[in-house]
Parts: sequence; C-alpha cells; structure tokens
Amino acid sequence: QVQLQESGPGLVKPSGTLSLTCAVSGGSISSSNWWSWVRQPPGKGLEWIGEIYHSGSTNYNPSLKSRLTISVDKSKNQFSLKLSSVTAADTAVYYCARDRVGVAGPFSYWYFDLWGLGTLVTVSS
Amino acid sequence: SSELTQDPAVSVALGQTVRITCQGDSLRSFYASWYQQKPRQAPVLVIYSKNNRPSGIPDRFSGSSSGNTASLTITGAQAEDEADYYCDSRDINGNYRVFGGGTKLTVL
Repeated sequence: QVQLQESGPGLVKPSGTLSLTCAVSGGSISSSNWWSWVRQPPGKGLEWIGEIYHSGSTNYNPSLKSRLTISVDKSKNQFSLKLSSVTAADTAVYYCARDRVGVAGPFSYWYFDLWGLGTLVTVSS
Repeated sequence: SSELTQDPAVSVALGQTVRITCQGDSLRSFYASWYQQKPRQAPVLVIYSKNNRPSGIPDRFSGSSSGNTASLTITGAQAEDEADYYCDSRDINGNYRVFGGGTKLTVL
C-alpha cells in the first residue's frame, strides 16, 4: 500500500530555511491526487501549509505564502517543502499527506486519507 | 483565527453518544472531513464527504451537515475514542484548506 515518509533536518537556525521531503512509496505521485504539507506546533492544533499536484500546480496558506515553496520531483516520486526566514514560531511536527477530492451533488469535498508519521523540526540557535 | 470553529473540549460518559460540531461559512459549499488524533500520533481520517467512513473506522462514527455546521457523532463512545478531533474543509472560495481549532474529547 502507499506510504509517505518525511525526511529532513530536525534543527534549523533562526532566519534559515526549513527544507523537508516526502517520499511516496507503493504508488505513483503522478496519480490523480494532490499532496499536502500540514504542521502542528507543540501542544497546538493542525495548520495546513500548502499543496501540490503532480503537474506542479500549487496552493499555499496565505499566511505562509511569502516564505513558502512546494515542489514535486516525479523522477524520485517525492515532493518537497521549503520555508524561508524561519523563527521559533515555525517549530512544529511537519506532516505530509495525500489529498483526495470529490464531488457529491452541489458539494465538493476534500480529505487527507493518508499521512506520514511526521517529523519534528525545531528552530533554534 | 480559524475559519472553522470547534468547541475546545467536550466530554461524554462511557457508552453514551456525543456530537462534535464544526461551524464555518465554507461548509455551505464544501463538506467537512474529520480526523482523530491521539497523543504523539499522526491524525487519522474518520469521516469524509459528509458521512463516509474509511475502511477500518468503526460504524459508531458518523457525520452530518446542515447549513454552515458539520457534525461528528460517536454513538456509544468507547475509552479508546478519547482523542483530539479536527474538522477540515476548503476556505469559502475554495482556494486553500482550513482546519478547525480541534476538540479534545474526554470519555468519562
């Protein structure tokens, strides 16, 4: 079955760039899905970061958009996150997730049906 | 501030029924999805497309939607249902995703 695995440095210095990769195994990243990043600061709720389609189309959280780049590498079956100018507020567990979409009558629906285990990134000097 | 509003905490007696709600204007156009998260674990999808359960989710979990409110109902809550629950949908224009602030469910 399809699995997601996040990887990247666990410690980033303030003002630096946070870089993470999500490897997709057991399936193709070019399937008809969006792929998202979600984060969770310690003791707080979930925050959606952004999403990418295999074509390279992206949507970003408006609050992070100016610092954020999400990209896809179809040859490696993975997608990546870069968040620049980080501060302690960016300390969080970062998850990658598979994003599904459908239509039911007049409604659309989106859901994350598959998640990685998450990786803790700490911003500290 | 979140565009989806959830009660921060809810409690239920073992075996009883509990409803967790999620409010937001975007829910008039987009169905919410619901996730269960236990400590130190990744979230798990429990309901999508108003009232669909992924394989492996017990049928005591159900969803509904009316107007600007989505609800997750647990009928006959079990001790293992104690967790944080998050709703999720698109923003009102469909441009990005939003999560509710989460509801901590305590099973007494």
